[in-house]
Amino acid sequence: QVTLKESGPVLVKPTETLTLTCTVSGFSLSNARMGVSWIRQPPGKALEWLAHIFSNDEKSYSTSLKSRLTISKDTSKSQVVLTMTNMDPVDTATYYCARTRGVVAPFDIWGQGTMVTVSS
Amino acid sequence: NFMLTQPHSVSESPGKTVTISCTRSSGSIASNYVQWYQQRPGSSPTTVIYEDNQRPSGVPDRFSGSIDSSSNSASLTISGLKTEDEADYYCQSYDSSNHWVFGGGTKLTVL
Repeated sequence: QVTLKESGPVLVKPTETLTLTCTVSGFSLSNARMGVSWIRQPPGKALEWLAHIFSNDEKSYSTSLKSRLTISKDTSKSQVVLTMTNMDPVDTATYYCARTRGVVAPFDIWGQGTMVTVSS
Repeated sequence: NFMLTQPHSVSESPGKTVTISCTRSSGSIASNYVQWYQQRPGSSPTTVIYEDNQRPSGVPDRFSGSIDSSSNSASLTISGLKTEDEADYYCQSYDSSNHWVFGGGTKLTVL
């Protein structure tokens, strides 16, 4: 069974750096064409794609947030990590990781999401 | 980059048919596949249509997708509406720079 599970802090202060971990099971992050994206959703608002890491370790970032994001993976631990610097209350959202088998493919498996609140 | 624009909300009665549009702001809608996701309250999104018009296994054939180059838009059509179809629906595509794009979402009310 393929699963993804997000973990990280529930609450961060403004200006702090957020670090989220996505632990996957049922597939390998080194499998050809397998990739993982981070997607967020502020309360009551739309989904927003943030970053993606491909099986060959190539990375892609949202143009508007690129300066604040870093995505990486540890294949041996089956984990994908996202860091977002200089957090602001507008970054309060549910953060999802999701798997895709390539750019043209859908996000076929999603994690349950983790809610992050930015507040002092 | 481009944007995908969806109506904020649609509503229809059980048993009827509803269509949700997704209009691409620039570039051809036919250039890149469009996927559609359903998101029920408190749940993660799930795929209902991929590659413009393909249904994943387990998705009822009441769900269908299409693209229309004349209006540069994609559409999700749900026929024989059921109360369980009430959810938010998102279209999604991608660009040549390996960036993914989501539409703003449409809230479907079945009343």
